[in-house]
Amino acid sequence: DSGVTQTPKHLITATGQRVTLRCSPRSGDLSVYWYQQSLDQGLQFLIQYYNGEERAKGNILERFSAQQFPDLHSELNLSSLELGDSALYFCASSVQGLARNNEQFFGPGTRLTVL
Amino acid sequence: DAKTTQPNSMESNEEEPVHLPCNHSTISGTDYIHWYRQLPSQGPEYVIHGLTSNVNNRMASLAIAEDRKSSTLILHRATLRDAAVYYCILRGGDTGRRALTFGSGTRLQVQP
Repeated sequence: DSGVTQTPKHLITATGQRVTLRCSPRSGDLSVYWYQQSLDQGLQFLIQYYNGEERAKGNILERFSAQQFPDLHSELNLSSLELGDSALYFCASSVQGLARNNEQFFGPGTRLTVL
Repeated sequence: DAKTTQPNSMESNEEEPVHLPCNHSTISGTDYIHWYRQLPSQGPEYVIHGLTSNVNNRMASLAIAEDRKSSTLILHRATLRDAAVYYCILRGGDTGRRALTFGSGTRLQVQP
């Protein structure tokens, strides 16, 4: 158990809908990262938050957004869903987001299926 | 980010050592070498990292070439539980970005 929790575990929805994925980082970790893992693209970084502020963006679509709240939990919002958004979404946290040698702790993921 | 190259797959027998290679010829002087693994149906898991010197921890050892252009993750006695995809990742970049860039990794199969 990494200490990072993600809800829900599974999510099935229809095209065009909007969903929210939730992540609670390990106690004391200030940085939250979101990653997407699909069969054709592998594991890709989407976005990072550090202590409530957006720190870095990766391959995140404009239809996707995220935020980190004062209690440090984070939510990833996916809207206008398409079939291609079906994937595993992982959240990770680390204690100090700005160091190159800190490990990231990953949650168990949310499996999103868009029908 | 500097690129890493790993074999697509490797096989090992249970209780034998496994050496997982990674090439990173364009590594910069400030890049750390990280290894993560992903067990089936789980999120990635940190294994080990290093900068210049060889490193050991309870999970594995990391051997880094003197010129830092390659490294090897060593599992001293493979178990069935070590069957996973292993990712070699370089971590560096500007001060604002600390995300991990995953390649395709090496899928390790462990035979009983």
